[in-house]
Amino acid sequence: DGGITQSPKYLFRKEGQNVTLSCEQNLNHDAMYWYRQDPGQGLRLIYYSQIVNDFQKGDIAEGYSVSREKKESFPLTVTSAQKNPTAFYLCASSISDEKLFFGSGTQLSVL
Amino acid sequence: DQQVKQNSPSLSVQEGRISILNCDYTNSMFDYFLWYKKYPAEGPTFLISISSIKDKNEDGRFTVFLNKSAKHLSLHIVPSQPGDSAVYFCAASASDSWGKLQFGAGTQVVVTP
Repeated sequence: DGGITQSPKYLFRKEGQNVTLSCEQNLNHDAMYWYRQDPGQGLRLIYYSQIVNDFQKGDIAEGYSVSREKKESFPLTVTSAQKNPTAFYLCASSISDEKLFFGSGTQLSVL
Repeated sequence: DQQVKQNSPSLSVQEGRISILNCDYTNSMFDYFLWYKKYPAEGPTFLISISSIKDKNEDGRFTVFLNKSAKHLSLHIVPSQPGDSAVYFCAASASDSWGKLQFGAGTQVVVTP
């Protein structure tokens, strides 16, 4: 059953803490993406990766970091430098530059 | 600076009637447009797309219309069903911006019985 798995579904971050959101896909897609959704706003691109061991900053990369050591995995770390981390985070993948397939998301909240 | 705008945050429509969702864009380099549907606490799912070489694309109850000169697209859902109640996002990309979709803020559609 192919798809994109994000975990955890809910995550809480303490002040000054780094947290990592997991994203795994078994669709054999080359490209993977991280988006952030805030209430009343569209999805904004944080980072994307077109190929293993390579990634690019999106529109709002500050305070985030990623890695792409395996084709299937694209974890996102929300660092303490991200001052407003509360949001719904969506991971996506695509086979080319066409439609994206999304995971079910992770809701990150600050304690 | 938002390049894709959905100016109606919400739409209420009666079951069986037509839902019309609108989307405007500012970047003339956009050449591929998509609509996604999203339920609460879930990821968006792809609904329908259109490339700039077309002005209409139809898939079952869903039709997307593109007016390039007006930089405007719309999604028609007919007939509307209760299961269509969701947030609909318009998205656009340019061929020189590989896979980087720009999303609108979304329109919440509520289909009433």
